[in-house]
Amino acid sequence: EVQLVESGGGLVQPGRSLRLSCAASGFTFDDYAMHWVRQAPGKGLEWVSGISWNSGNINYADSVKGRFTISRDNAKNSLYLQMNSLRAEDTALYYCARWVQGSDSSGYYLYFDYWGQGTLVTVSS
Amino acid sequence: DIQMTQSPSSLSASVGDRVTITCRASQSISRYLNWYQQRPGKAPKLLIYAASSLQSGVPSRFSGSGSGTEFTLTISSLQPEDFATYYCQESYSNPRYTFGRGTKLDIK
Repeated sequence: EVQLVESGGGLVQPGRSLRLSCAASGFTFDDYAMHWVRQAPGKGLEWVSGISWNSGNINYADSVKGRFTISRDNAKNSLYLQMNSLRAEDTALYYCARWVQGSDSSGYYLYFDYWGQGTLVTVSS
Repeated sequence: DIQMTQSPSSLSASVGDRVTITCRASQSISRYLNWYQQRPGKAPKLLIYAASSLQSGVPSRFSGSGSGTEFTLTISSLQPEDFATYYCQESYSNPRYTFGRGTKLDIK
């Protein structure tokens, strides 16, 4: 059974840092790209960052570029998000999600197929 | 950046109703469109990928259609467990993967 379990969230003051972790199990972790998606309270989903299977391709949303760093440790089946210079607008539930890409007779496909339950980050003084 | 516009933003319906949700992209995204369901307090769940492919384990009352800039998610006969928020997501503009703002479906 595929499982993604996030941890590391909490209450933090503006300008401080936090490191989120996502522990993966039930699949071959280094076969997949992984992403972070967040959801502010009562709001919609916002893609935050993604990392390829071998960390060779990393991308960030403009809203977090230069402040957040995504990484992974395939030996530990773990995904991370280092969040620095946190702002009130970073307050959200942070999900890690597995990214699937492939093709079939109908063409190419790319989607998030498994999500963790999320870890809540609250930025407030 | 590609913008994804969902309509309606909210919808009231009854068990057994047929419901359609629309998602429009600001530019052509071919068939790179996914649909997710999010029940309150839960993580999103993939329903449809590549515009019309049903994810394994998802009931056949869910269907998706469209290509280019206009897409629809249809629930043929609403069940109590279908009352949730639905999001579309484009997977064309690697790697930004914009989501729509969601459609909240509640009981009439």
